[in-house]
Amino acid sequence: KAGVTQTPRYLIKTRGQQVTLSCSPISGHRSVSWYQQTPGQGLQFLFEYFSETQRNKGNFPGRFSGRQFSNSRSEMNVSTLELGDSALYLCASSLGTGGTDTQYFGPGTRLTVL
Amino acid sequence: SQQGEEDPQALSIQEGENATMNCSYKTSINNLQWYRQNSGRGLVHLILIRSNEREKHSGRLRVTLDTSKKSSSLLITASRAADTASYFCATDALPGGSYIPTFGRGTSLIVHP
Repeated sequence: KAGVTQTPRYLIKTRGQQVTLSCSPISGHRSVSWYQQTPGQGLQFLFEYFSETQRNKGNFPGRFSGRQFSNSRSEMNVSTLELGDSALYLCASSLGTGGTDTQYFGPGTRLTVL
Repeated sequence: SQQGEEDPQALSIQEGENATMNCSYKTSINNLQWYRQNSGRGLVHLILIRSNEREKHSGRLRVTLDTSKKSSSLLITASRAADTASYFCATDALPGGSYIPTFGRGTSLIVHP
């Protein structure tokens, strides 16, 4: 079974631009969660989608948004990029929602904001 | 602040030795998970331990959970150079009923061949 895939793997943007990251979960998984990882703040939870609905949300500004499609693929969008948004963005998929099942992580998208 | 905090922040050992990492958390949990991350890559799930469990094993890994002390430990026995990675614990904080997975800052383990 194929693992979680994320595209693109690397991205360079400038301040003020917006970016869309994509995540394809493991086949059969209906939950997709997004995380931001930075050296200063560590791994932080952005949000979780399950069956096309946002189920849980971390403490991030509204510039960070996401959605999930009927095939469980998910996208994350960051608008009006700031330098501090430079990070490794990880998505993870699981069968169920709410932390009851093991999460399987993708390789991440490395975003650099100049 | 982080719900889970790993200790030590860094650990350097020789191949064949055991490595022990600890995780402390603040609020009640349903489960606690340990992950491994190799340099700047995605996380690999190691073990999930539920709040009603005290110990779990997986190969060379042993995880314990003490809910009274709000702490967990990960023991890697007979370590190998390939175990070099960062190790994170994650808890399912439930502020106000919402599920918020919370990771610690990790323990950086270096195993010298």
